[in-house]
Amino acid sequence: AQKITQTQPGMFVQEKEAVTLDCTYDTSDPSYGLFWYKQPSSGEMIFLIYQGSYDQQNATEGRYSLNFQKARKSANLVISASQLGDSAMYFCAMSNDMRFGAGTRLTVKP
Amino acid sequence: EAGVAQSPRYKIIEKRQSVAFWCNPISGHATLYWYQQILGQGPKLLIQFQNNGVVDDSQLPKDRFSAERLKGVDSTLKIQPAKLEDSAVYLCASTLRWGGPGEQFFGPGTRLTVL
Repeated sequence: AQKITQTQPGMFVQEKEAVTLDCTYDTSDPSYGLFWYKQPSSGEMIFLIYQGSYDQQNATEGRYSLNFQKARKSANLVISASQLGDSAMYFCAMSNDMRFGAGTRLTVKP
Repeated sequence: EAGVAQSPRYKIIEKRQSVAFWCNPISGHATLYWYQQILGQGPKLLIQFQNNGVVDDSQLPKDRFSAERLKGVDSTLKIQPAKLEDSAVYLCASTLRWGGPGEQFFGPGTRLTVL
């Protein structure tokens, strides 16, 4: 089975600065995808960004970008220009079996 | 487009009682997932359906949990009998197809408290 690891239980970032949330994975499948989701305190799961294993370029969605390093099996989420509303839990997951990492709690400081 | 619907939103039961949760995915979505999210943890996949067939139920505690997706649309997840450690939010999600790049849409969840 695939494995997803998020090693940062909590992260702090100053408002307007950039932050990187780490995600590593382990799979023997040549074709796979990585998702990132945001879960605010309200509990809803919000899709942020997706990266396919065969995509040539790193995915970007507005202030979110994915630093995908296939050889290192990492798919880190970069949030630029952090906002107070970015404070939430962030989860990465693999598309093949939709298993999630343990999550990182991001706190944006004013 | 209507989102993933779940009911009830909240449920409180005594241990050893039974409980059932209902999920209505987005129309046309072939794949449906049930997750258990314990407070402070990531969602744990319980079962995955492709249409009305089970794709993955390896993490479903089959001695007490069961799920079905008749006609490949709505799904129900049942716990019988409930234990204290089943207290969690149960999330339902759907995607257009299995394993693809499609976004996974989540419902609002059902918060279960077992006393």
